Amino acid sequence: EPEVTQTPSHQVTQMGQEVILRCVPISNHLYFYWYRQILGQKVEFLVSFYNNEISEKSEIFDDQFSVERPDGSNFTLKIRSTKLEDSAMYFCASSLEYNSPLHFGNGTRLTVT
Amino acid sequence: KNEVEQSPQNLTAQEGEFITINCSYSVGISALHWLQQHPGGGIVSLFMLSSGKKKHGRLIATINIQEKHSSLHITASHPRDSAVYICAGNTGNQFYFGTGTSLTVIP
Repeated sequence: EPEVTQTPSHQVTQMGQEVILRCVPISNHLYFYWYRQILGQKVEFLVSFYNNEISEKSEIFDDQFSVERPDGSNFTLKIRSTKLEDSAMYFCASSLEYNSPLHFGNGTRLTVT
Repeated sequence: KNEVEQSPQNLTAQEGEFITINCSYSVGISALHWLQQHPGGGIVSLFMLSSGKKKHGRLIATINIQEKHSSLHITASHPRDSAVYICAGNTGNQFYFGTGTSLTVIP
């Protein structure tokens, strides 16, 4: 069964550094999402992406964050200047169409030191 | 302010028991999702529904649009059902998550 893959599984970075989290959604899916989960807290929506542009974003998704689908298969989340509070598990998900089930990747655990 | 509220937060059951997890939401949503998060952290979508009832194996999800309420039921619970169950609603492509219900099923 096709799956969403995320790399790396764990990323450690220093405060102020830029990080790029990578995701390969399921190939025929049209909608892509990033979520994060700070340790011990609930999952939070960051951004949705459709037709090569951001569809919706949350208050968390400020100017430090950006998303890109550079080559038709990868979907990336960039954090420009990481802060300690960016430490979290970041999940990518995709769905075939609007209002269809989400398929999640296994997540990237980001640790900012 | 929590757009999506779940109860209970924690639930311990004996193997074989019937389990119900509740979700109430305050926003107008297009669809309601039930997700399962395993102890390792991975998330699996169990159901997506916008009306009525869906069943998959021992799992049943219902939604009452007028009351803005959904329930997830697990029949004949098993220790492998132990996980965190998360309710989420989407408005357009914006998502709102509950805090999750941590279920432990004891043999």
